Amino acid sequence: KNEVEQSPQNLTAQEGEFITINCSYSVGISALHWLQQHPGGGIVSLFMLSSGKKKHGRLIATINIQEKHSSLHITASHPRDSAVYICAVTRGSNYKLTFGKGTLLTVNP
Amino acid sequence: DVKVTQSSRYLVKRTGEKVFLECVQDMDHENMFWYRQDPGLGLRLIYFSYDVKMKEKGDIPEGYSVSREKKERFSLILESASTNQTSMYLCASSSSGNQPQHFGDGTRLSIL
Repeated sequence: KNEVEQSPQNLTAQEGEFITINCSYSVGISALHWLQQHPGGGIVSLFMLSSGKKKHGRLIATINIQEKHSSLHITASHPRDSAVYICAVTRGSNYKLTFGKGTLLTVNP
Repeated sequence: DVKVTQSSRYLVKRTGEKVFLECVQDMDHENMFWYRQDPGLGLRLIYFSYDVKMKEKGDIPEGYSVSREKKERFSLILESASTNQTSMYLCASSSSGNQPQHFGDGTRLSIL
């Protein structure tokens, strides 16, 4: 079993829909990261969080440490949100990232 | 803005060649990383470095080596390229401690 599991693997939505991507992990962590990768492009760090909730524009990330679970929400989705969203964790003082396999999001106009 | 620059977006090499992938960052970051990304497997860490001349193996170091002679530059070396090293290679950097990593645009490497 992977240490970081994401669901769903693929997600198709209509423009304007509210989107949720989930991430569960099985190890103790010091931080959880959400990353975005556009087709053919590099990877951008969206959030790094160790507790609670963070918001940036239409994106919201939450984490529940007790349940070892995080969600990434996108409000009022837009076709430009189409990308692969990747969850990753760091453990203790070790700053190496352990990645989930990603969620491919397609938002249709 | 942090800039992580990888020397090539696309590269085609032949089996047995020695291949160098270069990565440069402009933010004086201590930590640098090399990953490969494959369909169905996600991102996997090959090597990382937390200081000049320091390196540590990641999850899949076999067939690779690295060099960090200057703080801003981290090179990945395929000693004798093989077809199973065809992949997307991504470099990243971060400042000391548990900080977000900044990624380059990636190099899509094909070994024929």
